[in-house]
Amino acid sequence: GAVVSQHPSWVICKSGTSVKIECRSLDFQATTMFWYRQFPKQSLMLMATSNEGSKATYEQGVEKDKFLINHASLTLSTLTVTSAHPEDSSFYICSANGAKGYNEQFFGPGTRLTVL
Amino acid sequence: AQSVAQPEDQVNVAEGNPLTVKCTYSVSGNPYLFWYVQYPNRGLQFLLKYITGDNLVKGSYGFEAEFNKSQTSFHLKKPSALVSDSALYFCAVRDIDSGAGSYQLTFGKGTKLSVIP
Repeated sequence: GAVVSQHPSWVICKSGTSVKIECRSLDFQATTMFWYRQFPKQSLMLMATSNEGSKATYEQGVEKDKFLINHASLTLSTLTVTSAHPEDSSFYICSANGAKGYNEQFFGPGTRLTVL
Repeated sequence: AQSVAQPEDQVNVAEGNPLTVKCTYSVSGNPYLFWYVQYPNRGLQFLLKYITGDNLVKGSYGFEAEFNKSQTSFHLKKPSALVSDSALYFCAVRDIDSGAGSYQLTFGKGTKLSVIP
C-alpha cells in the first residue's frame, strides 16, 4: 500500500511553454502533498506544501506564479511550470501524507523536466 | 528550525564489509527520523524510521539505524554490504512537536554509497 505515482516520468519542452506534472496517491487519500525539486547530485529542496482544497504554501524563494500547484482532490495534486526556461530543468519529486496515523511521506518516482 | 547533517558526501566500502552512513540532526522538540535511498533517476524509497520505542530500528534490505538522543545521531548501518546497495542515501527529520498538521521533512544533503566488488 501507500503508492504514489507521477506523470509524466520525463518531459522535454521548448522554452516559454508550460508543463503540467501530476502526482497521484493510488491507494490512500493524501491530505497533504509536497513538491520537491532536486538538482543533480544535490538534496531535495522543498518547494511547496499543499493541502486538499486549500492554497499551497510555498517555501521562501519559490515563485508562486511560476510554479502553480493545485490539490483539487485527496488523490491528485498537480504542479504546473509556467513559461518554462532552461534553468527550470530539474528533477521534480512529489510526496504524500496519508490519513491520520501515517508518520511518513510516500514519494513518487519523480519527473525529469528538460527545457530546451 | 530543524536541520540534518550528513557529514560525508561519499562512502566507499568493500562488498561484504559492514557499512555506516552518518547522520546527525537538530530539532527543538522530539524527532521523527527517517532514512531514504535513491537510485539514479528514481524517486526516494523508504528504508526505515524512528518514531519512538527501541533505539535500534530495523528496516528494509537488511539496514538498521540506531537513535542516539545524547549525540543527536541516527546513523545507518548494514552488517554486510552488497554491490546493489550502491546508491544515494538521505537522512530526514521531522519535529513532532511542530504541530499535528505539519508533516514537513527536512533532508540532509545525501551521501553517495559505493560498494566495491
